[in-house]
Amino acid sequence: DIQMTQSPSSLSASVGDRVTITCRASQSISSSLNWYQQKPGKAPRLLIYTASTLQSGAPSRLSASGSGTDFILAISGLQPEDSATYYCQQSYSTPWTFGQGTKVEIK
Amino acid sequence: EVQLVESGGGLVQPGGSLRLSCAASGFTFNNYAMNWVRRAPGKGLEWVSSIGAGDDSTLYADSVKGRYTISRDNSRSTLYLQMNSLRAEDTAVYYCARKFPGSYPFDCWGQGTLVTVSS
Repeated sequence: DIQMTQSPSSLSASVGDRVTITCRASQSISSSLNWYQQKPGKAPRLLIYTASTLQSGAPSRLSASGSGTDFILAISGLQPEDSATYYCQQSYSTPWTFGQGTKVEIK
Repeated sequence: EVQLVESGGGLVQPGGSLRLSCAASGFTFNNYAMNWVRRAPGKGLEWVSSIGAGDDSTLYADSVKGRYTISRDNSRSTLYLQMNSLRAEDTAVYYCARKFPGSYPFDCWGQGTLVTVSS
């Protein structure tokens, strides 16, 4: 199974800050990496797919990059509504696996 | 509007059974593989099971293999998850999620249904 490791597990930042979340795969997954946002009591929401493509409706302050084993999600100009847990997920091979999540809090 | 609505969750004793349903609307159901993903309290997301678009292939996480059965009724645009021999560690919110076949993401999720396994 492909293991996905996110860092940090949590972060706290101010409105307007730029934050980054890192995701590392235990083996190469090409660009088969997706990012999701989940708020308490809500369903996960797809933000980014194939490593860097913004899903329709996702805010343009999000960007992502990477390939192979190392990936980054960046949020520029952090907003209060960005407070959530973010997950990476590989869609390269089954079983589909997720990172453990990164909780983003607004100071 | 694309919509997935889960139902069937509840409280069940260890060793018991439960069947979850997920009603789909707003898209051509039989064009998509369908999945169950869960989130246990205080934990992250865990993929549980997948079924192919034509009901021709099923996959399971090792943690549920032999206890859970995924199925679909394309005529009713409905996905199911039969859960047997339930354990405390199966307690979670269960989400259904659609996924185009291949290396595509889970692009639409239901709101989830809570399964609690406790005596």
